[in-house]
Amino acid sequence: GQSLEQPSEVTAVEGAIVQINCTYQTSGFYGLSWYQQHDGGAPTFLSYNALDGLEETGRFSSFLSRSDSYGYLLLQELQMKDSASYFCAVRGNTGFQKLVFGTGTRLLVSP
Amino acid sequence: DVKVTQSSRYLVKRTGEKVFLECVQDMDHENMFWYRQDPGLGLRLIYFSYDVKMKEKGDIPEGYSVSREKKERFSLILESASTNQTSMYLCASTAAGGHNQPQHFGDGTRLSIL
Repeated sequence: GQSLEQPSEVTAVEGAIVQINCTYQTSGFYGLSWYQQHDGGAPTFLSYNALDGLEETGRFSSFLSRSDSYGYLLLQELQMKDSASYFCAVRGNTGFQKLVFGTGTRLLVSP
Repeated sequence: DVKVTQSSRYLVKRTGEKVFLECVQDMDHENMFWYRQDPGLGLRLIYFSYDVKMKEKGDIPEGYSVSREKKERFSLILESASTNQTSMYLCASTAAGGHNQPQHFGDGTRLSIL
């Protein structure tokens, strides 16, 4: 089977940096994705890591270590609008772009 | 721009009813998915389809079925609704091929079974 663990909630202040960790157990691995979901909204794709290392997209970066079955999402220069839930998701060894999602981390950004 | 449309934002049905949730995508995507989202449980895959008339069970298919008669439309069916199927239902689609095809989600249907 496949399972992912991430913290249930993280709090931070505007302008700060926050890291959301994700550890996974899968029977196969093609990549780790991150999605953002605001309350009442649809999940939206943020990033994807297939290889070890850091991927940077503006204020957001995502890191993967395949040997440790671990990744994280790094959010810099936090803004109030970053308050949302963040989900990591793994593509295992099945096809059809099927993902297994973590339970989500709720990020609360305060002034 | 990518668009996934779910037919209802909110739906209230009664126990035992047959319920249809509809999803349409305008991106000519091969793959479509139905998830349910519950607090503390994240998104759990119910069914997915990788082509017209093709379907595969996800992690929690019990009590559900699906239909994909046209490429753009993927329907989730609750054969006999029960209160434990009260949830947020999310539809997603993605193109085939490659390892990184982001899933595009609809806004969700919040279904209440009374």
